Amino acid sequence: GDSVTQTEGQVTVSESKSLIINCTYSATSIAYPNLFWYVRYPGEGLQLLLKVITAGQKGSSRGFEATYNKETTSFHLQKASVQESDSAVYYCALSDRANSAGNKLTFGIGTRVLVRP
Amino acid sequence: GPKVLQIPSHQIIDMGQMVTLNCDPVSNHLYFYWYKQILGQQMEFLVNFYNGKVMEKSKLFKDQFSVERPDGSYFTLKIQPTALEDSAVYFCASSLGGAETLYFGSGTRLTVL
Repeated sequence: GDSVTQTEGQVTVSESKSLIINCTYSATSIAYPNLFWYVRYPGEGLQLLLKVITAGQKGSSRGFEATYNKETTSFHLQKASVQESDSAVYYCALSDRANSAGNKLTFGIGTRVLVRP
Repeated sequence: GPKVLQIPSHQIIDMGQMVTLNCDPVSNHLYFYWYKQILGQQMEFLVNFYNGKVMEKSKLFKDQFSVERPDGSYFTLKIQPTALEDSAVYFCASSLGGAETLYFGSGTRLTVL
């Protein structure tokens, strides 16, 4: 089946430093899945951070970027300069674009990011 | 932005009893989903629901599970009877279209004793 592997556990980074969260995927049922980063801030529901549906394209939002690399099957999330408000849990996910029954997402395990002042 | 509400945030129940998890989706959304996350594991798809019907379900969606959205109100997940392995956080989501962005609730933590 499909799977998503991302940086596990907690990443601690100082404010204004750079952040990278690794994500690789395996899509056995689909050639080119849609790729997503979701984020959960403390006390809130999961929300979409960015998505890319075309291989080779880059998505960006709130200073975060991720590039859909089909050669390495990766979708790493990066930010050049983090803020305390970026402290959250980040989830990489994929879906089958051809699935007409609804957006069934396959998630990674989540990476907790703690930004220290 | 649009909000999906899940109540309660935590529910404790004895094994063998019935439980209903409630979800108030975004008002004009047409597709509804439940996901399950066991502590320390990935969030996994359970089921999606459209036009009054289950469209797709995973192998985690046991026979003891059922979903409905009576009269366009809450979207519910019922487990009858509950088992110890049903302890998890259950997340509801909704989307306007089948390929549209999912909006998630904050989850209901179910503890089966």
